[in-house]
Amino acid sequence: GAGVSQSPRYKVTKRGQDVALRCDPISGHVSLYWYRQALGQGPEFLTYFNYEAQQDKSGLPNDRFSAERPEGSISTLTIQRTEQRDSAMYRCASSLAPRPIGTSGRGYEQYFGPGTRLTVT
Amino acid sequence: GENVEQHPSTLSVQEGDSAVIKCTYSDSASNYFPWYKQELGKRPQLIIDIRSNVGEKKDQRIAVTLNKTAKHFSLHITETQPEDSAVYFCAATFTGGFKTIFGAGTRLFVKA
Repeated sequence: GAGVSQSPRYKVTKRGQDVALRCDPISGHVSLYWYRQALGQGPEFLTYFNYEAQQDKSGLPNDRFSAERPEGSISTLTIQRTEQRDSAMYRCASSLAPRPIGTSGRGYEQYFGPGTRLTVT
Repeated sequence: GENVEQHPSTLSVQEGDSAVIKCTYSDSASNYFPWYKQELGKRPQLIIDIRSNVGEKKDQRIAVTLNKTAKHFSLHITETQPEDSAVYFCAATFTGGFKTIFGAGTRLFVKA
């Protein structure tokens, strides 16, 4: 079936502009995560949704970053007044269940999208 | 605070040898520990995971061990092959299973 998709794949914007990054999770997946990944580093947690509810946004760097998932499916990460330090790969991931299930943890594994590479000039 | 430390940052092995990557986590309440493999220019992909109620899990050439007391977990790859060359990330879940914190990654080179 179709995996997690993200758009745009590449975004170049000028400093001060707003950008909106879109994530389309695997159909039926309850949970959706946003990460930022710098080159050569591990994904950095930004925020998490369970259905349409934003359960944890503690990783958002500042109030210029926001995210929504209004119908519990597609999510948008918005960065207002972009700065050069916002340049990075932004990835989303989805999982079937909000918590590990049983002893195997099946259903909780996160499937990552291809990412949006954001460059702020 | 919430933290996952991963070592080594770079690992080079000869084809056929074993590779071991180690991670430590800070939150004793963490209960789920996935490992991801990321090839150059690709997205991270889950290769194995372990729950806190299990001490060891194996899947063909890869295995993961967990020491809850010491808050350590490790990835073991046996009979390494050149296609195992990639960056490997460990991770741990925090705050009730919602937040996942990743290690900084280990770049594994398998020399033919």
